[in-house]
Amino acid sequence: NAGVTQTPKFRILKIGQSMTLQCAQDMNHNYMYWYRQDPGMGLKLIYYSVGAGITDKGEVPNGYNVSRSTTEYFPLRLELAAPSQTSVYFCASRTTSVGGTGELFFGEGSRLTVL
Amino acid sequence: EDQVTQSPEALRLQEGESSSLNCSYTVSGLRGLFWYRQDPGKGPEFLFTLYSAGEEKEKERLKATLTKKESFLHITAPKPEDSATYLCAVSKGGSEKLVFGKGTKLTVNP
Repeated sequence: NAGVTQTPKFRILKIGQSMTLQCAQDMNHNYMYWYRQDPGMGLKLIYYSVGAGITDKGEVPNGYNVSRSTTEYFPLRLELAAPSQTSVYFCASRTTSVGGTGELFFGEGSRLTVL
Repeated sequence: EDQVTQSPEALRLQEGESSSLNCSYTVSGLRGLFWYRQDPGKGPEFLFTLYSAGEEKEKERLKATLTKKESFLHITAPKPEDSATYLCAVSKGGSEKLVFGKGTKLTVNP
């Protein structure tokens, strides 16, 4: 049982390049999330999904896109990378139970630098 | 605006020296308050959920408590392996977003 797996762990991009951060979970969780964590700041929600085919914007969605074609995968697409997108990105998932709202399982993160 | 403030930003303890971390929040319609532990280079790991004032949860040397305005994470007789950043987050009804604090970095020296 791997939990939430993110790839790549590290990546350097040039301004204007695009890339996809991969996220997979093997816990059959319907809910999945992308957060970013900047130094000295709290985690901010980028996008989330409540099930395959359903996605919605979070607090800081600009410059990102997501898709959710299966329960297991929730990739995050960065279009036209900018220095402001330098951050650590975390994918997370949770069960559908009402009490599990904040009980997220996080991946180990993808550290992205845009130069 | 919903806000979570954690204090102190950093705390250094000697092994066995008990202390508390604070998480104060302003949110309308609180659904739950959550504590996470984050080790360097890792993702946050869930610790506790608290739903209502007066509620307490315990796990090993950690105990979390909740009032109407704040939560405390009490650490009793800490060990070096308790060193980590502790994050507090809140959720509100009708939203999937968790509002996170900036965290308290705890260092326990042997």
